[in-house]
Amino acid sequence: AQKVTQAQTEISVVEKEDVTLDCVYETRDTTYYLFWYKQPPSGELVFLIRRNSFDEQNEISGRYSWNFQKSTSSFNFTITASQVVDSAVYFCALSEANFGNEKLTFGTGTRLTIIP
Amino acid sequence: GAGVSQSPRYKVAKRGQDVALRCDPISGHVSLFWYQQALGQGPEFLTYFQNEAQLDKSGLPSDRFFAERPEGSVSTLKIQRTQQEDSAVYLCASRRDRGPSFAQYFGPGTRLTVL
Repeated sequence: AQKVTQAQTEISVVEKEDVTLDCVYETRDTTYYLFWYKQPPSGELVFLIRRNSFDEQNEISGRYSWNFQKSTSSFNFTITASQVVDSAVYFCALSEANFGNEKLTFGTGTRLTIIP
Repeated sequence: GAGVSQSPRYKVAKRGQDVALRCDPISGHVSLFWYQQALGQGPEFLTYFQNEAQLDKSGLPSDRFFAERPEGSVSTLKIQRTQQEDSAVYLCASRRDRGPSFAQYFGPGTRLTVL
């Protein structure tokens, strides 16, 4: 069975600080995909990034960066120079690469509040 | 282009009523998913369609829940004899093609409140 754990329930930081959101996953598959989604107060889940299990290269997109480490089963998300618009609930999710079992398994989310 | 749309955005039902929730996926997306999100929790998988075929319904919590996608586009999630524990946000997502390497894109959800 697959599982995603986001141990940080809520985080608050002052604007312009850097913040890292943790994600730890469990799966028996050797091929799988990891995702991050943002859920702002409006409620719609916004896709941020997808990473497959064979690509451990870290990725940077503007102020966002992701650190994938298979050795620790972690896929952490860092926001640099945070802004108030970053305030949202962030979800990490896992999908195993089995055709027919293609659901996303989500963590419980981390509520991030950026204080102006 | 247009994203995933869902209607209604809000639904209040009395316990025991039947409800129908609609999802319009992104045009051309062949995969469609339904999730249930309780307050303060992450979305939980309900069911999955590839075109009109329902390939996985393992997440449907009871036989009161039924989903269909008869023409491989619009989908409807129906809940019969609603119960208070059915109160949640129901999210629909579509995906361009089969295979988990493609991202799922979510609609705004339908917030169901059962009184």
